[in-house]
Amino acid sequence: DIQMTQSPSSLSASVGDRVTITCRASQSININLNWYQQKPGKAPRVLIYAASNLESGVPSRFSGTGSGTDFTLTISSLQPEDFATYYCQQSYGGFTFGPGTKVDIK
Amino acid sequence: EVQLVESGGGLVQPGGSLSLSCAASGFTFGSHWMSWVRQAPGKGLEWVANIKRDGSEKYYVDSVKGRFTISRDNAKNSLFLQMNSLRAEDTAVYYCARGQYDSGSYGFGNWGQGTLVIVSP
Repeated sequence: DIQMTQSPSSLSASVGDRVTITCRASQSININLNWYQQKPGKAPRVLIYAASNLESGVPSRFSGTGSGTDFTLTISSLQPEDFATYYCQQSYGGFTFGPGTKVDIK
Repeated sequence: EVQLVESGGGLVQPGGSLSLSCAASGFTFGSHWMSWVRQAPGKGLEWVANIKRDGSEKYYVDSVKGRFTISRDNAKNSLFLQMNSLRAEDTAVYYCARGQYDSGSYGFGNWGQGTLVIVSP
């Protein structure tokens, strides 16, 4: 089974900050990696497909990079509505989510 | 607008059964793989099962194999999850999700609001 890890598990940031979240797979998953945002009490929302392709309607301050085992999600200038938990998810072998990274207000 | 509406959650005793439903609208239901994804209270996301467009292929996470059955009725735009031999560790919000293949990666493009399943004496 492919395991996913994320770092950090949580971070505190201010509006306007640049935020980077890392996701690592236990084996190469090519670019079969998606990112989701989840706010408390709500369903997740897909942000990025295939490591770097922004889902329609997602603000351009979100970006993703990586391939193989190492991936990053970057928010270029954090906005108030971006405080949430972010999950990566692989689809190379089955489906596995990372444990999540909670972004809260400093 | 894509809509997925789950129902059927509730409180059930260990060893009991529960059946979840998901009503889909706003897209061609029979053209998409569909999944169930769950989230235990305060925990992360876990994919549970998925089903091919025509229902001919079904896949499950190891922890529910032999206990859960996913099915669909394309004529009624509905997805189902039959859960038997329930355990405390099955307690979670269960989400219905539409599969989407984009740019070479398979993800979950739309989600319902979730239905809570509590397994407790």
